[in-house]
Amino acid sequence: SQELEQSPQSLIVQEGKNLTINCTSSKTLYGLYWYKQKYGEGLIFLMMLQKGGEEKSHEKITAKLDEKKQQSSLHITASQPSHAGIYLCGADFGQGGKLIFGQGTELSVKP
Amino acid sequence: EAQVTQNPRYLITVTGKKLTVTCSQNMNHEYMSWYRQDPGLGLRQIYYSMNVEVTDKGDVPEGYKVSRKEKRNFPLILESPSPNQTSLYFCASSLVGTGRTPLHFGNGTRLTVT
Repeated sequence: SQELEQSPQSLIVQEGKNLTINCTSSKTLYGLYWYKQKYGEGLIFLMMLQKGGEEKSHEKITAKLDEKKQQSSLHITASQPSHAGIYLCGADFGQGGKLIFGQGTELSVKP
Repeated sequence: EAQVTQNPRYLITVTGKKLTVTCSQNMNHEYMSWYRQDPGLGLRQIYYSMNVEVTDKGDVPEGYKVSRKEKRNFPLILESPSPNQTSLYFCASSLVGTGRTPLHFGNGTRLTVT
């Protein structure tokens, strides 16, 4: 959906490098989810952010929601082949039960 | 094990033949939703349910029906499937509403309509 834009659409990095994926909205987010998906498989929940300025980390992955709650970034430190997959952000805009997802960022990590 | 279970995982059918994709969760979640995923279009919400007997349209509801007679089940019904409904479908559930608790996804159902 154009309400939620992810960038870049695809990314190829060398193993050990850091990378950042962005998720941007023109409207205020009430909640922001990050998921990882192996091609054609289910979505694995990574993190959920709700408050402006909130930052969460899990292993080598850190996600942050900006103060205005319109942009989130996902940062991977020292990437590994196991990090490869499609990363999706999903957002609640306070429209009841509607959840919008970005188009995803396909990450490849070269050994 | 807490999970969202979809069946079948793969389904090939012909145009016009009614089908149902089942979705069940064992986490006592109030919220359930269906998505379809297509290349270049990402995940799009079909229908969602905030609780039993409450369902609402998402962004792409045309050609689909749902029901929520029990808390744990949220089947997706295609009364007369067409080739443009060929897609990867995901069911998801959350404890309460959206944006406040994590959304858990099933493993997906790959549907092909010929």
